[in-house]
Amino acid sequence: DAGVTQSPTHLIKTRGQQVTLRCSPKSGHDTVSWYQQALGQGPQFIFQYYEEEERQRGNFPDRFSGHQFPNYSSELNVNALLLGDSALYLCASSLGLLGYNEQFFGPGTRLTVL
Amino acid sequence: DQQVKQNSPSLSVQEGRISILNCDYTNSMFDYFLWYKKYPAEGPTFLISISSIKDKNEDGRFTVFLNKSAKHLSLHIVPSQPGDSAVYFCAADPQGGSEKLVFGKGTKLTVNP
Repeated sequence: DAGVTQSPTHLIKTRGQQVTLRCSPKSGHDTVSWYQQALGQGPQFIFQYYEEEERQRGNFPDRFSGHQFPNYSSELNVNALLLGDSALYLCASSLGLLGYNEQFFGPGTRLTVL
Repeated sequence: DQQVKQNSPSLSVQEGRISILNCDYTNSMFDYFLWYKKYPAEGPTFLISISSIKDKNEDGRFTVFLNKSAKHLSLHIVPSQPGDSAVYFCAADPQGGSEKLVFGKGTKLTVNP
């Protein structure tokens, strides 16, 4: 049973560029959340997708957008990259929205913005 | 403005002894707390959780204590093992099942053989 997978593992971009990160949830899970973990910090919630819609959003600008596909996989898009966007981006999946459901995290995508 | 604080960046203990990791929070509306463990190059792994209606939850060698009046929780690992060496994150769910977790900065635990 594959857990949460993310691609790519590492990515280097320059300021102003756009990036797309991908996530496949754990088998059977239908909800995907994205987190940003800057160096020396804990993960920060970006947004959550369920039934192909953004259900919750953290304090991130509109440059951060996402999508969820019918097979529950998800993409995180960041436009107009800034140096401060350099971080580890974590995807977490869970099943359902009612009550707290354990989130399983992927290994993350390390984004470096030069 | 950090709502979940882990004030010790690192902790070193001897194998077999107790490890105590601490976490403070500022928002009295938080009602569900979790601990995650993270190894290098891996995503965080859920360890144990506690609801605000309890003051203690045990799972094998791991026990989490919650002191709501002090807005403080702690994770006890007894006995500590070298394989427990990892970064431990305290997290809170601020909306009762929202899964919109608020994390602390983490504490790096090193268990020496």
